[in-house]
Amino acid sequence: DADVTQTPRNRITKTGKRIMLECSQTKGHDRMYWYRQDPGLGLQLIYYSFDVKDINKGEISDGYSVSRQAQAKFSLSLESAIPNQTALYFCATSDGGLGQGDTGELFFGEGSRLTVL
Amino acid sequence: AQTVTQSQPEMSVQEAETVTLSCTYDTSESDYYLFWYKQPPSRQMILVIRQEAYKQQNATENRFSVNFQKAAKSFSLKISDSQLGDAAMYFCAYRRLHTGNQFYFGTGTSLTVIP
Repeated sequence: DADVTQTPRNRITKTGKRIMLECSQTKGHDRMYWYRQDPGLGLQLIYYSFDVKDINKGEISDGYSVSRQAQAKFSLSLESAIPNQTALYFCATSDGGLGQGDTGELFFGEGSRLTVL
Repeated sequence: AQTVTQSQPEMSVQEAETVTLSCTYDTSESDYYLFWYKQPPSRQMILVIRQEAYKQQNATENRFSVNFQKAAKSFSLKISDSQLGDAAMYFCAYRRLHTGNQFYFGTGTSLTVIP
């Protein structure tokens, strides 16, 4: 089983609909992230959470919200989807990067492709 | 602000040959991580190689190696003996470790491997 699991893998929806993308992880990491990927733009950070009680906006948070239900679960919501939110969305986790044994990298889920018509 | 620049949107290489992908970054920090990720058509993001800034020795992973020039803020990826399975989008990433502790990505280089 994958260490970071995203559902759904693919979703087609209509403008104005509410959409939730879910993420769960078995890495035991405190830090979780949601990224958006558009062609030619690399990965852009939407929201991140360093702890269950810690939620932070990233560079493109407008139109999105998140919920950290537990250490292992971090969901992304689009309250009212619009066509320019059509993209590939990644959930990821990481360790703190400074501890002994930390590897520092992001561990990614398999991505959720969202199409908003 | 930290930025990561990949100046080659597309590259191609003949099978079994060597190719180098470029990456530069901007930072005022002295302690950080650098990464190369591979994204094949399956869209999965796969870690290729990791470099810790305090280490002077260049990281290597089998056919993949980096040329880390800390003073020049350059982090290039060399792929030797290229294989068809190396065809993918490659992303360079920087991880700031202190204030903010964030990851920053380049815009990617699409690598084509010619049989």
